[in-house]
Amino acid sequence: GNSVTQMEGPVTLSEEAFLTINCTYTATGYPSLFWYVQYPGEGLQLLLKATKADDKGSNKGFEATYRKETTSFHLEKGSVQVSDSAVYFCALILAGSARQLTFGSGTQLTVLP
Amino acid sequence: NAGVTQTPKFQVLKTGQSMTLQCAQDMNHNSMYWYRQDPGMGLRLIYYSASEGTTDKGEVPNGYNVSRLNKREFSLRLESAAPSQTSVYFCASSGRSHSGNTIYFGEGSWLTVV
Repeated sequence: GNSVTQMEGPVTLSEEAFLTINCTYTATGYPSLFWYVQYPGEGLQLLLKATKADDKGSNKGFEATYRKETTSFHLEKGSVQVSDSAVYFCALILAGSARQLTFGSGTQLTVLP
Repeated sequence: NAGVTQTPKFQVLKTGQSMTLQCAQDMNHNSMYWYRQDPGMGLRLIYYSASEGTTDKGEVPNGYNVSRLNKREFSLRLESAAPSQTSVYFCASSGRSHSGNTIYFGEGSWLTVV
């Protein structure tokens, strides 16, 4: 079956530090990959996505590259801010089947001033 | 530019009461989903609907029913609420665009069963 494995949290960083949150996946096919962010008390917002191998998704200073050879989609940001404190979810979807929608367990990020 | 709209945002129920969470999307998506989110457990799929007129069980369907009323609307019903159903519920929809499949979420419904 399909699965998404995320780096376990919580992750605590100082402001302006470099962030990496690891995400690897297994899928029977060619998925689209996503990072979602959930700020305290809010719903999930799409942060970035990539739909095919070697694509790089980017948004708000965050980046992730779809690596088919390592089945990974790691989230990175060069300099985090306090406002980036949130829970980050990696997810995949396979075309053609509504069943194939899979999330990782989420990684809590706290950025200290 | 509404996307996925779900109501209510907050609800407190007594054990045994019933209620329906409403969800609507205006993106002409075929697929719609209901998830619940609990601390330390990520998102778990309750039910999904691949297209109008079809529904299927997800990972945790017990205690819930759904209705895909039309292409836009997908409701989740708790017939007899239990404290174990205290959770945050998210509706989502997905469809193919020029950039591939994309999943969009509602803002969530915080449900407490006492």
